[in-house]
Amino acid sequence: EIVMTQSPATLSVSPGEGVTLSCRASQRISNNLAWYQQNPGQAPRLLIYGASARATSVPARFSGSGSETEFSLTISSLQSEDSAVYYCQQYSDWPLTFGGGTKVQIK
Amino acid sequence: EEQLVESGGGLVQPGGSLKLSCTASGFTFSGSALHWVRQASGKGLEWVGRVRSKAYDYATAYAASVKGRFTISRDDSTDTAYLQMNSLKSEDTAVYYCTRYRSGSDKFDAFDIWGQGTMVTVSS
Repeated sequence: EIVMTQSPATLSVSPGEGVTLSCRASQRISNNLAWYQQNPGQAPRLLIYGASARATSVPARFSGSGSETEFSLTISSLQSEDSAVYYCQQYSDWPLTFGGGTKVQIK
Repeated sequence: EEQLVESGGGLVQPGGSLKLSCTASGFTFSGSALHWVRQASGKGLEWVGRVRSKAYDYATAYAASVKGRFTISRDDSTDTAYLQMNSLKSEDTAVYYCTRYRSGSDKFDAFDIWGQGTMVTVSS
């Protein structure tokens, strides 16, 4: 099983600041990596697929990068509505696995 | 609008059974693989399993934690997928989501459409 490790577990950021979330895969997964945003009580929302492609209607302040085992999600200028938990997920091999999540809080 | 709607959640005793449904609309359900993902309260996301399309003989795959207890099926005539859960344990308590691949097909991809989730509580 491919283990996805996210860091840090929690981030506290001021509005307007940039933030980078990390995700590491235990095996090489090429660019088969997605990022999701989840607000309390809601289903996950796809932000990034293919490690760097933005999903439909996702603001340009969200960007993804990386390949094989090291990935990152950057929010260039944090807005209040970006307060959420962010998950990475690999879809390179079975079973599909998610990282433990990074909670982004607004100061 | 492309949409998935789950139903069937509830309270069940340990060792009991429950069947969840996931009904699709707004896209070609028959050509899509359909997955179930669960989330225990305050925890992360866990992939549960999937059923492929008819083109792949409705093949199923499951997480080790549910294999042998859970069964996923589908009825393309009603655009509905099912998750039959047997021998339920307290650790199966979670919100269960159905979701599909972004491509709307049956190939590895990110998940773009998610249902609202249905809560399953396993407790005596």
